[in-house]
Amino acid sequence: AQTVTQSQPEMSVQEAETVTLSCTYDTSESNYYLFWYKQPPSRQMILVIRQEAYKQQNATENRFSVNFQKAAKSFSLKISDSQLGDTAMYFCAFIKGPYDTDKLIFGTGTRLQVFP
Amino acid sequence: DSGVTQTPKHLITATGQRVTLRCSPRSGDLSVYWYQQSLDQGLQFLIQYYNGEERAKGNILERFSAQQFPDLHSELNLSSLELGDSALYFCASSEGAGQPQHFGDGTRLSIL
Repeated sequence: AQTVTQSQPEMSVQEAETVTLSCTYDTSESNYYLFWYKQPPSRQMILVIRQEAYKQQNATENRFSVNFQKAAKSFSLKISDSQLGDTAMYFCAFIKGPYDTDKLIFGTGTRLQVFP
Repeated sequence: DSGVTQTPKHLITATGQRVTLRCSPRSGDLSVYWYQQSLDQGLQFLIQYYNGEERAKGNILERFSAQQFPDLHSELNLSSLELGDSALYFCASSEGAGQPQHFGDGTRLSIL
């Protein structure tokens, strides 16, 4: 069974600094997709970034980038120039592949607090 | 705005009752997913529909059922409600396999 592990329950960072959130996953599949979702205090689930496992290039979306290490089954999220609005719960998630049900399997989340 | 609409935003009801949660997916999305977020279980996949047909089931209780209608909106029916069913229920939709899932704002269900 696929599992997603986020080992940092809480993290904090000062505004304008950089922070990295960790995620590891376990799968025997070679083709899959990885995501980071953000859940602010409003409880909405907002897609931050997506990575396709067959692409070696790390995905980037503005201040958000990932470090995807396929062999190590690691998928960390780097937030540069942190802003107060980045305060949220961050969930790492996995989809097994395009030819099966593409349900999201979520980690337990990392609560990020950005301080002024 | 994700384009996924969920109603109602809040529901308060009593044990033993039945409720229906509604979801309208983003225009053009054929897949609809239901997830439950609770304090003790985290985010759990319940069920997926694709173009009106059930595609996959997750940790969905027998007391729960869902369907997707010809206009692609979906309903999640929860019956014989128990205190432990109190949670935030999300609907998400996507264009297809492996594509990003876009979430609605959720329905917060409180069982008294």
